[in-house]
Amino acid sequence: GQQLNQSPQSMFIQEGEDVSMNCTSSSIFNTWLWYKQDPGEGPVLLIALYKAGELTSNGRLTAQFGITRKDSFLNISASIPSDVGIYFCAGQMTAFNKFYFGSGTKLNVKP
Amino acid sequence: EAQVTQNPRYLITVTGKKLTVTCSQNMNHEYMSWYRQDPGLGLRQIYYSMNVEVTDKGDVPEGYKVSRKEKRNFPLILESPSPNQTSLYFCASSLRGRARDTQYFGPGTRLTVL
Repeated sequence: GQQLNQSPQSMFIQEGEDVSMNCTSSSIFNTWLWYKQDPGEGPVLLIALYKAGELTSNGRLTAQFGITRKDSFLNISASIPSDVGIYFCAGQMTAFNKFYFGSGTKLNVKP
Repeated sequence: EAQVTQNPRYLITVTGKKLTVTCSQNMNHEYMSWYRQDPGLGLRQIYYSMNVEVTDKGDVPEGYKVSRKEKRNFPLILESPSPNQTSLYFCASSLRGRARDTQYFGPGTRLTVL
């Protein structure tokens, strides 16, 4: 199956710091999605990207759909303790199809 | 409240003993899907269903079966579970499975096969 390479695997940061993570694929995707998973719960959609080069924000979160359509980036500004969790990228190749997920970035924020 | 529910939330079983994990959604969604989550591997799609009686394989379908006889329910069946199926399982649904349809996940089922 398709492999989405997500990095870093984990991050330990201080409250207030900015965070960046990225996801790359060997295949072209038509859609990139970013999810957050809180401990003991299912993933929740944060941002969806539908067009190469697109930059979309959701509060302190900003994500970009790479120009090559093979990568995506997520930035979190001014992190707070409730940002703790696992962040997953996901991609979909066509409008109706399977979803492929990255391995996740575990974020820890020290107050 | 709009939600996806899964039962059971935790299950410990033995190799070879058939089991079913139920999934139900109350949002009238056409698309439903099952994923497994393993450390270092993220979520991998097992099966998905575009509508009643329409199912298709995801990335890791071996050892699993599904059925979609009603729109709201999408059970995951393990006919003969093995230890390598020990994992955290998530059911999800979206309106029509299009990229623009938000996928809603259930709370997860943690399965241990001894």
